Amino acid sequence: GENVEQHPSTLSVQEGDSAVIKCTYSDSASNYFPWYKQELGKRPQLIIDIRSNVGEKKDQRIAVTLNKTAKHFSLHITETQPEDSAVYFCAAYGNAGNMLTFGGGTRLMVKP
Amino acid sequence: GAVVSQHPSWVICKSGTSVKIECRSLDFQATTMFWYRQFPKQSLMLMATSNEGSKATYEQGVEKDKFLINHASLTLSTLTVTSAHPEDSSFYICSARLQRGSNQPQHFGDGTRLSIL
Repeated sequence: GENVEQHPSTLSVQEGDSAVIKCTYSDSASNYFPWYKQELGKRPQLIIDIRSNVGEKKDQRIAVTLNKTAKHFSLHITETQPEDSAVYFCAAYGNAGNMLTFGGGTRLMVKP
Repeated sequence: GAVVSQHPSWVICKSGTSVKIECRSLDFQATTMFWYRQFPKQSLMLMATSNEGSKATYEQGVEKDKFLINHASLTLSTLTVTSAHPEDSSFYICSARLQRGSNQPQHFGDGTRLSIL
């Protein structure tokens, strides 16, 4: 099955700096990679996703890159704000499977 | 669009009680819903995949007699934790997928915090 590794587990940045979270996956057939933001005690919210036919996708301050050859994808947040503080999960959707496999999560803390 | 409602949001009950959690897709039909369990400061662990009109598919290590899943309609899936014990205390979250196919987004409910005394 799919295995998703996520790094770092915690990340502390100063407001205005950029934050990068990296994930690797094992199943070369995986074709869909969403990123979720989860605030304490709340639901995971989809913030951006990328499909395997695209190398990069951007939405305002958030961007995701995908390297299919190396089987890794990254989340980039620019001009971070305190409200970006949350736990971020990457996930991969295997073509053979019917489910999302989540990374271990990254706790992002943005210091004002 | 793509709203998933989960109820109740918080349950506190005595050991031995059975607890039912509902997951509804409010503005779309979900042929597939997913049930996750999340321990504090940990990732989401898939428990089972719920398919409308058929039996749920459970992940390895998840007791199907303990966690009963019913997906009787295209908008409702239920998870019943039978004879709950303190070790079942956790955050349970459902999600639903809008369309068939593996490369479609999943949208999550608000989760249910289950505390067994």
